[in-house]
Amino acid sequence: IQLTQSPSSLSASVGDRVTITCRASQGISSYLAWYQQKAGKAPKLLIHTASTLHSGVPSRFSGSGSGTDFTLTISSLQPEDFATYYCQQVNSYPLTFGGGTKVEIK
Amino acid sequence: EVQLVESGGGLVQPGGSLRLSCAASGFTFITYWIHWVRQAPGKGLEWVSRINSDGSITSYGDSVKGRFTISRDDAKNTLYLQMNSLRAEDTAVYYCTREVPYYYNNRRSGGFDYWGQGTLVTVSS
Repeated sequence: IQLTQSPSSLSASVGDRVTITCRASQGISSYLAWYQQKAGKAPKLLIHTASTLHSGVPSRFSGSGSGTDFTLTISSLQPEDFATYYCQQVNSYPLTFGGGTKVEIK
Repeated sequence: EVQLVESGGGLVQPGGSLRLSCAASGFTFITYWIHWVRQAPGKGLEWVSRINSDGSITSYGDSVKGRFTISRDDAKNTLYLQMNSLRAEDTAVYYCTREVPYYYNNRRSGGFDYWGQGTLVTVSS
């Protein structure tokens, strides 16, 4: 299953609302996770089952979607949110990740 | 505190072999599915392999199938990845990561909640 993220990069300011999309090549129900990765660090789980916030993740992060189209939204971008974001399908093996979306400071 | 610590990375020639280890602590290792994920320099994440909690089920990405073998030693709380016939394209940071056991419609739906710091494997002559 291929995952296509868009955009591949974006520039935004602190306080902006940011939306990242992830499209699956076939239906995956709600079997999708989102991660944040900062340079030189391991990824961090943000959301599982498409829309469930992982423990300890700030509520400004939210996920939505089902089937083939998914969205990660950051309601008000904070300085610590500048990073690369990946979606991952856990519907079937081999598991796959999207290509990533780099969120940069405008 | 949950910890995953990888080791065993390094420089190896094409066609060579390497065994990675991942030492787990701070949780009941035997009850978790564990995965390997890799990241080539400047590239995205690629899922490599997984093993279920009792070691009876393994899966591999297409790019490593037949060359890599995942295993676990629950007595030592350690995960392994035996990598044979290494290629230049296997050069990457290799992470071990724990799958969080969330379920949706009676199927596993969780992502990976804890990750190691990664170990770099470089395949080059």
